[in-house]
Amino acid sequence: GQQLNQSPQSMFIQEGEDVSMNCTSSSIFNTWLWYKQDPGEGPVLLIALYKAGELTSNGRLTAQFGITRKDSFLNISASIPSDVGIYFCAGRRDSGTYKYIFGTGTRLKVLA
Amino acid sequence: GAGVSQSPRYKVAKRGQDVALRCDPISGHVSLFWYQQALGQGPEFLTYFQNEAQLDKSGLPSDRFFAERPEGSVSTLKIQRTQQEDSAVYLCASSGWGSSNTGELFFGEGSRLTVL
Repeated sequence: GQQLNQSPQSMFIQEGEDVSMNCTSSSIFNTWLWYKQDPGEGPVLLIALYKAGELTSNGRLTAQFGITRKDSFLNISASIPSDVGIYFCAGRRDSGTYKYIFGTGTRLKVLA
Repeated sequence: GAGVSQSPRYKVAKRGQDVALRCDPISGHVSLFWYQQALGQGPEFLTYFQNEAQLDKSGLPSDRFFAERPEGSVSTLKIQRTQQEDSAVYLCASSGWGSSNTGELFFGEGSRLTVL
């Protein structure tokens, strides 16, 4: 099935560093969601974006809805060990379907 | 309930057996989605319900997969004659808005199916 491209695929960072990841699509989306998934658990919603150019924060997390509407970005500031996990983006077109298409995921590991 | 509840959390089936996976969405949520997540991959869409109506089943991989939501609340995903390639985590998500531009998906913990 179709999946959005996320980069990087994985990253190792030191505790306290900032993290940036992105998600790209060949299609225009009207809604972007960002999730974090821990092993053996379901994805947990972090941030929702509804408008091109929108910048939204949730604690140390900031996400942006790309101007082209074909990409989105997630930043984590001052990472801590509990940030470890897999981060997924999800996009929705809102034209004739309500389904979200998910990205391939960015696996984050934080070194204390 | 407070969140999306799925059962069983783990299911081991012999090839050829039928399985049924249950999803209890957040109370009052109109929309319900089923996704399949293979190991190391992102979730892939299977099917979508708005109340009891199944509006999109384009992601169901074969006619062995069947989903229902007869009263617009609890949903069941049934897989007949399971095959090894059906092994995956099956995620259920619900959303409170069926027809607006916004719609945050809230996921359950998933049902991990292993077919031997």
